[in-house]
Amino acid sequence: AQSVTQLDSQVPVFEEAPVELRCNYSSSVSVYLFWYVQYPNQGLQLLLKYLSGSTLVKGINGFEAEFNKSQTSFHLRKPSVHISDTAEYFCAVSEFNTDKLIFGTGTRLQVFP
Amino acid sequence: DAMVIQNPRYQVTQFGKPVTLSCSQTLNHNVMYWYQQKSSQAPKLLFHYYDKDFNNEADTPDNFQSRRPNTSFCFLDIRSPGLGDAAMYLCATSRVDSGDTQYFGPGTRLTVL
Repeated sequence: AQSVTQLDSQVPVFEEAPVELRCNYSSSVSVYLFWYVQYPNQGLQLLLKYLSGSTLVKGINGFEAEFNKSQTSFHLRKPSVHISDTAEYFCAVSEFNTDKLIFGTGTRLQVFP
Repeated sequence: DAMVIQNPRYQVTQFGKPVTLSCSQTLNHNVMYWYQQKSSQAPKLLFHYYDKDFNNEADTPDNFQSRRPNTSFCFLDIRSPGLGDAAMYLCATSRVDSGDTQYFGPGTRLTVL
């Protein structure tokens, strides 16, 4: 069975500092990987996804993530965060030929001025 | 703009009083999902429709039902809400293909008194 682990429940960071949000997954088959962002009292919005090809994926709002198959990781990074990046970030995985997303427990990114 | 719409945004009901949450989409997507998200937790899939085919998750309580009268609309019925059903309910849509992006609505926050 698939599972997703987000090791950090909260990540505090100062504005303009770099940030990395960690995500590890387990699956016995090939997977697709996603990062979603959720602002307070809103639905989830896709930041980026990895389906195949280049392991470095660029998304919206200056975020990028790197798929590492040997370490089963898909960490999210941004070189310089803004106050407006304060939100909950969810990593998710789905197996090939399924429509189902399995979410991690989320990481709350808090950006301070 | 094409989008996923959920009504109402906030719903208050009494313990045991049936409630229906609504989702509509203008994306013409084949798949529609309902997720339950409790405070500070990951979204949890309740069920999804692949066109008219209903797919229930094994651990979704019988208290939760769904209807999809046409491509655009999907309803979540909670027959006898308990205090533990208070949560944010998220609707999402995607095309048929696996690995496709799921587009989320803003959610309905359900309070049970």
